[in-house]
Amino acid sequence: EVQLLESGGGLVQPGGSLRLSCSASGFSFSSYAMTWVRQPPGKGLEWVSGISTSGDYTYYADSVKGRFTISRDNSKNTLSLQMNSLRAEDTALYYCARYYSSSWYSGMDVWGQGTTVTVSS
Amino acid sequence: QSVLTQPPSVSGAPGQRVTISCTGSSSNIGSSYDVHWYQQLPGTAPKLLIYANNNRPSGVPDRFSGAKSATSASLAITGLQAEDEADYYCQSYDSSLSGSVFGTGTKVTVL
Repeated sequence: EVQLLESGGGLVQPGGSLRLSCSASGFSFSSYAMTWVRQPPGKGLEWVSGISTSGDYTYYADSVKGRFTISRDNSKNTLSLQMNSLRAEDTALYYCARYYSSSWYSGMDVWGQGTTVTVSS
Repeated sequence: QSVLTQPPSVSGAPGQRVTISCTGSSSNIGSSYDVHWYQQLPGTAPKLLIYANNNRPSGVPDRFSGAKSATSASLAITGLQAEDEADYYCQSYDSSLSGSVFGTGTKVTVL
């Protein structure tokens, strides 16, 4: 079964750091571009970051550029998001998702269940 | 601030047809980047509903269809059913932002 499972969410103080992980199974992880999408409570979806199949190319939403770092370990089928200098507005449910091809122009066909990040003092 | 604009809500009676618009610009939909649509049922992760403008993944009923023109796209739901009550999002790529972008989202209510 094709599956994505996020972990690492939690409560963190403003200015703190958190590392999210996404474990992939049931498909050839290294063949797909991957992405993180977040959803603040009661609000819409916001794309956060994406990474190429090899990890050589990464890109970020302006709202997180310079603070978040996306990475992947194809040998361990794992996607990660290192989040630094966290702000209250980063509070959201964070989803890991698979682009349906190696291109980030494509849609996202597999989603995890999400992990919650709360930034509050 | 999303660069893809959708109506906040649409509604219809069971069996009716409803459409959701997704308005973009020359840096996204207007640059021939594909548009994809997602359905998000309450308390669940989004589900890919339409990909590459007008294609349905396996298992998605043919009541759902997509279209794209110039700088906008649309999702149509025909034969509206109670189970279609959900939030719907469009998504594309934006060359100015160098990243994926989502629409503002539309809540569909079945009357």
